[in-house]
Amino acid sequence: RKEVEQDPGPFNVPEGATVAFNCTYSNSASQSFFWYRQDCRKEPKLLMSVYSSGNEDGRFTAQLNRASQYISLLIRDSKLSDSATYLCVATGGYQKVTFGTGTKLQVIP
Amino acid sequence: DAGVIQSPRHEVTEMGQEVTLRCKPISGHDYLFWYRQTMMRGLELLIYFNNNVPIDDSGMPEDRFSAKMPNASFSTLKIQPSEPRDSAVYFCASSLLDNEQFFGPGTRLTVL
Repeated sequence: RKEVEQDPGPFNVPEGATVAFNCTYSNSASQSFFWYRQDCRKEPKLLMSVYSSGNEDGRFTAQLNRASQYISLLIRDSKLSDSATYLCVATGGYQKVTFGTGTKLQVIP
Repeated sequence: DAGVIQSPRHEVTEMGQEVTLRCKPISGHDYLFWYRQTMMRGLELLIYFNNNVPIDDSGMPEDRFSAKMPNASFSTLKIQPSEPRDSAVYFCASSLLDNEQFFGPGTRLTVL
């Protein structure tokens, strides 16, 4: 079993739709969690951190469920520019970092 | 302020040749990471350094791979000898403490 698992998608959604991604992690000792965004043939960039209390940044909401060991990302009112691959990340002690393989999102006009 | 700098951006080489990838982290960052990304395996952490010291190299696939960080502003990832299955995009990233990692643009390696 992979340490961090994501549904690879692709998720094809119309503009304006709400879409949610889940990511499960197997290491219960994981301490920090993040969502990164990666555009085609570009480097990953931080989208948002994921806090235990959940956090929101505009149209994006991230949540953590430690009991079930998953994190989620909700995108409301999808824009064409949201089309990208979304990577979830779990960080354990001493900066042990594990990326998921990513979920591809395609927002359709 | 310049971000993470990687060179070369593209490398095409023949099997058996030595390949050296270079990275300059963001000034002041104390962590440096090397990743490899392929379609099949996604983004894999190869090795990371803290204050120029290698902390975890368990992701390095085999002895053909080696990485060094002689000072706070420079790191190399070397593959010797290279094989076609090493073809991938190699990213370098840096961070301050355990905060956000900033990635370089990557080196696209093709081994023929």
